[in-house]
Amino acid sequence: DAGITQSPRHKVTETGTPVTLRCHQTENHRYMYWYRQDPGHGLRLIHYSYGVKDTDKGEVSDGYSVSRSKTEDFLLTLESATSSQTSVYFCAISERGGPSYEQYFGPGTRLTVT
Amino acid sequence: KQEVTQIPAALSVPEGENLVLNCSFTDSAIYNLQWFRQDPGKGLTSLLLIQSSQREQTSGRLNASLDKSSGRSTLYIAASQPGDSATYLCAVTAQGGSEKLVFGKGTKLTVNP
Repeated sequence: DAGITQSPRHKVTETGTPVTLRCHQTENHRYMYWYRQDPGHGLRLIHYSYGVKDTDKGEVSDGYSVSRSKTEDFLLTLESATSSQTSVYFCAISERGGPSYEQYFGPGTRLTVT
Repeated sequence: KQEVTQIPAALSVPEGENLVLNCSFTDSAIYNLQWFRQDPGKGLTSLLLIQSSQREQTSGRLNASLDKSSGRSTLYIAASQPGDSATYLCAVTAQGGSEKLVFGKGTKLTVNP
């Protein structure tokens, strides 16, 4: 299994509070991704990173920001959590962003916003 | 905009049966197609990746095919086992910009003993 950990694994927070989720990899892969998974929508890309300090938006980036100060860590921040951000969040990594390379997923973080 | 559809949404079969899961995509301009398995409450496990230039990939009892021109892929599972019960997800890496995965909503497979 690819060395990907996510923390926390479960979190309950209140509307309006900031929340930061962490993805940590030990594979030294260049590309990292944040997805959310919701019933009826499947997995959707939030943000991704193609290198240290290099990030870009995905399909559902509103209300989220990311940072990558080290190769191994990719942080996802909900600036002011809303109930619509209750979801399961997955981090993924890829050795390169090119077409040949698979994405490997972390175990997920279940976030509940009350 | 690339869209990925998986049919059926759920499938229940008896143990030992061979089965096929279907995936279709609307834009044939893809780099590759990837099949994943997801167990309840768990992350995604990559099963097979097919490059756009390939027709099929095999791993053990799994065989995935790709017909890029018609926008279709199938995942064939031979001699199904209860341990195969999971949700199977199909995803494509679309060309024309950043290499992002676009996922289908999955097929939930139950293999009954």
